[in-house]
Amino acid sequence: AQKVTQAQTEISVVEKEDVTLDCVYETRDTTYYLFWYKQPPSGELVFLIRRNSFDEQNEISGRYSWNFQKSTSSFNFTITASQVVDSAVYFCAPPHGETSGSRLTFGEGTQLTVNP
Amino acid sequence: NAGVTQTPKFQVLKTGQSMTLQCAQDMNHEYMSWYRQDPGMGLRLIHYSVGAGITDQGEVPNGYNVSRSTTEDFPLRLLSAAPSQTSVYFCASSATGGAGEKLFFGSGTQLSVL
Repeated sequence: AQKVTQAQTEISVVEKEDVTLDCVYETRDTTYYLFWYKQPPSGELVFLIRRNSFDEQNEISGRYSWNFQKSTSSFNFTITASQVVDSAVYFCAPPHGETSGSRLTFGEGTQLTVNP
Repeated sequence: NAGVTQTPKFQVLKTGQSMTLQCAQDMNHEYMSWYRQDPGMGLRLIHYSVGAGITDQGEVPNGYNVSRSTTEDFPLRLLSAAPSQTSVYFCASSATGGAGEKLFFGSGTQLSVL
């Protein structure tokens, strides 16, 4: 079964701290995609990153970075020098195989609060 | 481009009333879907469509109907609203519905059923 575990339900940090959101997944597919989405207090869902299972390079986008490790089935997300505007719920979607199409599902996510 | 547009943003219904949540996209996307978001449950897929005239059930379809007469529109109908349908509803679309495609979300509709 496609499954993801975001063990941290809530994280609270002080501005400028680095913070890592953990995501561990399970899948039987050999080819799959992983996604992170963000839901700020305003409520909309914002796409952050998509990674396919063949590409294990880490990715950095400004203060955001992702560490994909196939050997440990993890796809962790780090925010460097966090800011108050980073406060949001962050969703790591379960692995998406070729037969799943765009039918993403989302668990409860991790609520990140960045305090000034 | 407006992207994915949902109306209304807020709605209050009485038990037993019917209503339609509207969703429209202007990106010529083939795939559209509806989710509901409840506290402690994440987002759950209600119905989806891979093109005009084609719809299918997701994880929690009971109590909801959909149709897809055009590529642009994918309305969600509640035939007889129940308090259990109090939730935030999101419409989403992707280009073809293929695996690995980015989903574009609307801004959501907050529905309360009294």
